[in-house]
Amino acid sequence: NAGVMQNPRHLVRRRGQEARLRCSPMKGHSHVYWYRQLPEEGLKFMVYLQKENIIDESGMPKERFSAEFPKEGPSILRIQQVVRGDSAAYFCASSPPRGETDTQYFGPGTRLTVL
Amino acid sequence: AQKITQTQPGMFVQEKEAVTLDCTYDTSDQSYGLFWYKQPSSGEMIFLIYQGSYDEQNATEGRYSLNFQKARKSANLVISASQLGDSAMYFCAMRELTQGGSEKLVFGKGTKLTVNP
Repeated sequence: NAGVMQNPRHLVRRRGQEARLRCSPMKGHSHVYWYRQLPEEGLKFMVYLQKENIIDESGMPKERFSAEFPKEGPSILRIQQVVRGDSAAYFCASSPPRGETDTQYFGPGTRLTVL
Repeated sequence: AQKITQTQPGMFVQEKEAVTLDCTYDTSDQSYGLFWYKQPSSGEMIFLIYQGSYDEQNATEGRYSLNFQKARKSANLVISASQLGDSAMYFCAMRELTQGGSEKLVFGKGTKLTVNP
C-alpha cells in the first residue's frame, strides 16, 4: 500500500519562474493538506482540499500561490513568480474521509530552492 | 498566540535509556487530538502516536508512549530503550477543527533528539 507520493523531491527555480508541486494521496484518502516548513521551523498549514473543493486556504499567501485537487490526478500546489523567500520544504499530507482515523500521513516533501 | 509549545530545542540521551520530550498545548476546544511526528535528517515526516482528548488511557505504540495530562495541558512523548536511529527532530502537533468544517494540524517548533552510543 503506497504512502503519500510527492514529486519532485527537489526543485530548483530562478526568481520569477513558476514552481509546480504534485501530491498523490494514499489510496482511499480523499482529504489533502499542504504545509510549508521553513529552515529550523515547524510545519505551517497552508491549505486543505477535498476532491474539486478548497475547504480552507487560510494559510496560503494571498498572491502567487494556488492549489487544486482535481477529480482525476494529483493535487497541485502552484507558486507563480517565485521569490527567494519561497525557498522551503513543502509537505503534503492526506487523511481518510471524516469519521475514520484522525491521522494525517505525510509525503516525503518537496524541497524548493529559489536562486 | 502559540498553541503548541516545545520548550526543549535539543535533548541528549544515552543509548538504551528512556527520554521524555515535552509538549504543552493551549486550546479552548473540548474535543481535540494530539500527535507526535518524527523527522529524521532525510526530511520525511513520520507519524508516531496519537492521543484523543477523550481517551482515558495514555496512548502507546511500541517504544513510544504519550504521557497525557489533560488538566496540565501537556502531552509529553516518552521513548523507551533509545536507539541510535531515534536521533531526529520530533514535532508535537494539535488538530484544530473550525466551525466551517476545516481541520488542520498546528505544530510546535520541535525538539532535536540526539542518541549517544
